[in-house]
Amino acid sequence: KNEVEQSPQNLTAQEGEFITINCSYSVGISALHWLQQHPGGGIVSLFMLSSGKKKHGRLIATINIQEKHSSLHITASHPRDSAVYICAVVGGATNKLIFGTGTLLAVQP
Amino acid sequence: DTEVTQTPKHLVMGMTNKKSLKCEQHMGHRAMYWYKQKAKKPPELMFVYSYEKLSINESVPSRFSPECPNSSLLNLHLHALQPEDSALYLCASSQEGAGSDTQYFGPGTRLTVL
Repeated sequence: KNEVEQSPQNLTAQEGEFITINCSYSVGISALHWLQQHPGGGIVSLFMLSSGKKKHGRLIATINIQEKHSSLHITASHPRDSAVYICAVVGGATNKLIFGTGTLLAVQP
Repeated sequence: DTEVTQTPKHLVMGMTNKKSLKCEQHMGHRAMYWYKQKAKKPPELMFVYSYEKLSINESVPSRFSPECPNSSLLNLHLHALQPEDSALYLCASSQEGAGSDTQYFGPGTRLTVL
């Protein structure tokens, strides 16, 4: 079993829909990151969370430390949001990122 | 400047070739990373440099040799690679290397080994 699990693995939405991607982890963490990767390469860091909730534009990320769970929400989704969204945690004993397997999001016009 | 640059964007090499990947950042970050990413898989950490010293080597085969000539540059020297080493190689940097630091990723070098 992976230490970081994401669901769903694949998600297709219509433009304008509210989207939720979930991340569950089984290790103690010092931080959790949400990353976005567009087809063909580079990764962009969206959020770093250690507690609570953060908002940036149409993106909202929440974390529940007790339940070892985080969610990434996208409001008013747009085709340009189509990408792979990756949850990564920083394990307590190391500073290394432990990556989830990613969620492939396709937003159709 | 919040950019990490990587060169080349694409590289095709034979199993007997020697080549190098280059990564550069001018954000004053003191931690730099090499990741390997296979198709449809998450990145796998290879090496971490902290203050220009190698701090993590994730048991990477010796045919991959990292080098950090100064705080802005990170190289990955490649020699006698295998076809299974074909992948996207990503460089990243962060302020200090703490887990709570945001890592800034470069666009990657797509490597094909023939």
